Amino acid sequence: AQSVTQPDIHITVSEGASLELRCNYSYGATPYLFWYVQSPGQGLQLLLKYFSGDTLVQGIKGFEAEFKRSQSSFNLRKPSVHWSDAAEYFCAVGARVGYGNKLVFGAGTILRVKS
Amino acid sequence: NAGVTQTPKFRVLKTGQSMTLLCAQDMNHEYMYWYRQDPGMGLRLIHYSVGEGTTAKGEVPDGYNVSRLKKQNFLLGLESAAPSQTSVYFCASSYREGANIQYFGAGTRLSVL
Repeated sequence: AQSVTQPDIHITVSEGASLELRCNYSYGATPYLFWYVQSPGQGLQLLLKYFSGDTLVQGIKGFEAEFKRSQSSFNLRKPSVHWSDAAEYFCAVGARVGYGNKLVFGAGTILRVKS
Repeated sequence: NAGVTQTPKFRVLKTGQSMTLLCAQDMNHEYMYWYRQDPGMGLRLIHYSVGEGTTAKGEVPDGYNVSRLKKQNFLLGLESAAPSQTSVYFCASSYREGANIQYFGAGTRLSVL
């Protein structure tokens, strides 16, 4: 069965510091991988996605993620964090179900940014 | 461009009451989904639909029913609400082709007392 692990429940970084959020997945085939962000009281917004090809993908708000098949990882990075990045981040893998895909989510990582 | 709209945004129920959550999308997406979000558990799929008139069970379907009578609407029903159904419910929709990027609504916060 497909699964996603986000090892860090909470992460605190200083504004301007770099950020890496970890994500490991389990999936038998080539995965579709996603990072979503959820601000308090809001829905989920897609940050970036990996389907195939270049293993380093760029997203919105200055985020990037690197797909490493050998490590079954899809870590999210940002070189310099802004206070507005404080939110909860979810990694997800797209799994085939019937004629379509469903998303299997990790438990999320809450990012706190200190000034 | 409204995207995915969920109503209501908040609701408080008593145990045993029933209610229906409405999801509407204006992107002509074939697929629609209902998730619940609980602290420390991410989002879990309740039911989904791959087209008008079709529905299927997800990971946690017990206690819920769904209907997709129109392509743009996906309804989630609770026939007899239980405190364990206190959660935040998200609807999402996607195209059929490709990797099915899902677009989410703002959520419905439900408390069952």
